[in-house]
Amino acid sequence: DAKTTQPPSMDCAEGRAANLPCNHSTISGNEYVYWYRQIHSQGPQYIIHGLKNNETNEMASLIITEDRKSSTLILPHATLRDTAVYYCIVRVETSGSRLTFGEGTQLTVNP
Amino acid sequence: GAVVSQHPSWVICKSGTSVKIECRSLDFQATTMFWYRQFPKQSLMLMATSNEGSKATYEQGVEKDKFLINHASLTLSTLTVTSAHPEDSSFYICSARRSDSGNQPQHFGDGTRLSIL
Repeated sequence: DAKTTQPPSMDCAEGRAANLPCNHSTISGNEYVYWYRQIHSQGPQYIIHGLKNNETNEMASLIITEDRKSSTLILPHATLRDTAVYYCIVRVETSGSRLTFGEGTQLTVNP
Repeated sequence: GAVVSQHPSWVICKSGTSVKIECRSLDFQATTMFWYRQFPKQSLMLMATSNEGSKATYEQGVEKDKFLINHASLTLSTLTVTSAHPEDSSFYICSARRSDSGNQPQHFGDGTRLSIL
């Protein structure tokens, strides 16, 4: 699986949009971009994933660049409960493929 | 939505004890489940891939005789930490993915915090 690079930490004001970047310059054509987050002392929570097109769901939006070498997770209106470590992971989409977690980005939403 | 349940949430036991952790997919079938371990202030590390009806696949450096994995049904995988010692104290997390999915994410349990005295 392609390696990803994320900033170790970011801050965001409550109510503002949080934009979390991820670089995956060695991504292959059949690898998806996944985002998970982990709130302290809990298991990771799935947020969103995509292959080429931008994706949006009730939690967030995922913007993937045209060359697919980077992506941005957008939380449109961050709340204090969004404070967590956010992981960007790329992997091939097969039933047995596993997720390899990097260090992620610690997002702190401030009041 | 897809729900994965882990039990127990936390365990405290004496050194030398064996501890079993259960991982259940509550509303879907999972041919494959994954077991992770997370030490304080570190990221998740994959320990093994649990395959229903066959032997688990362990990551390099993970002792298969110490961490016994059983995936006897499409909704249950168990991890047994045998003869646990203080260095095995950690946060153990499982994940599962729908068997019939071609493009579905893994879903995680809430983890089991294991403390060996």
